[in-house]
Formats: sequence, C-alpha cells, structure tokens
Amino acid sequence: DTAVSQTPKYLVTQMGNDKSIKCEQNLGHDTMYWYKQDSKKFLKIMFSYNNKELIINETVPNRFSPKSPDKAHLNLHINSLELGDSAVYFCASSQVGGTYEQYFGPGTRLTVT
Amino acid sequence: SQQGEEDPQALSIQEGENATMNCSYKTSINNLQWYRQNSGRGLVHLILIRSNEREKHSGRLRVTLDTSKKSSSLLITASRAADTASYFCAVFFLGYALNFGKGTSLLVTP
Repeated sequence: DTAVSQTPKYLVTQMGNDKSIKCEQNLGHDTMYWYKQDSKKFLKIMFSYNNKELIINETVPNRFSPKSPDKAHLNLHINSLELGDSAVYFCASSQVGGTYEQYFGPGTRLTVT
Repeated sequence: SQQGEEDPQALSIQEGENATMNCSYKTSINNLQWYRQNSGRGLVHLILIRSNEREKHSGRLRVTLDTSKKSSSLLITASRAADTASYFCAVFFLGYALNFGKGTSLLVTP
C-alpha cells in the first residue's frame, strides 16, 4: 500500500496553462507539505498544512495555491505556468509531536515548454 | 529560513570504503534528520538525532551532532553499490517544517 501518493507522475504543459497536482496520504498524519526540487537538486519547502490549515507559506508566487480538502489530501494548483516552474514537486506528510519523520511521495516531474 | 548545507557536493568511493558527509546549519534546531534519495525517487528517512544527543547509530549509519559548531556528520561504513544515492540533511525547527540542503551525491563503485 502506498503511504503518500501523487498524481500525475509526469506533467508536460505549455507556458500560460493552469495545472494541478494531487497528493494523498493514508498514514493518518496531521501535517502535509509541498516541496520543490530544482534541477540542481535543491529541495525547498513551499507550503505546510496542519489539520487542513495553512501554517507555512514560504516565498512562493501567488500563482501557486495549495488546497487541503481534508487531512489526507493536499493538492497544488498552479496558474499561468512559467518556464521556471519546471521542477520535481514532492508531497510529504508527518505527524507533529510524533517522530517528526517525513514520508515523501514519489514526486511529480513538471516540464513547462 | 535556515537550511542544512551538505558537504561535499559529490563523493565517489569504492565498495567497502566508508563515506562521510557533513552538514552545517545556521540557527537553533529541535532535531536534525538525514534522508536518502535514489535517482528519480522521493526521499526516504534514514535517521534522526535530537538537539540534546551527540551521536546515534542505525545499522551501518553513524550520525554525530555538534550543536556548538552547528554541524552534523553522517558516516556510512562498509559502503555498497546500493548506497549510491543523494543524501540530504534537514533541520527541524518551529515544530512543523524541515529545510533541506542541496544534498551530497554519493557514488559507490564495485
């Protein structure tokens, strides 16, 4: 059983389009995250949600909008895609107050042409 | 935001040798964690060391933490080809988020 799953795995789209990436975790965790990993492997946190509430919002363009319909899901919607948005996006979850270990999804490779 | 910064950026060794990678950070932490990322995959948690601990072992992994120097090291003993991956340190602060560095790419050749 997959603990943290993301769809799609690959996404190729043109500049200016709007796209969404979905994430689901079946671990019962209360906190979920979105990370962006660029071509140089630098992994940067974008957002963090705890019990459906936004608790961390790093310096990210407002074209990126996370949505958490429930504790098990955290989706990422990106408007007006730009070339610089090309990266691998990882979803992760953890249980605050637990081991603090983060469980990562397999990643979504977004390519903007 | 504070990050873990790994050093070296890349390391190439032969099977059976030990691999050591270092991590430095800038401010206070609650704990520091090491993760492994195989090519094209998500990160996998390896080991966590709390700010009041100095050393921790897990199998062939040994992690040290020096909070006075704001640094940590990860030692992989008797490396195997399967250890080839990128290794990231992450600092845990404020209770909710981890900030990762750029990773150390480890190549273990037979």
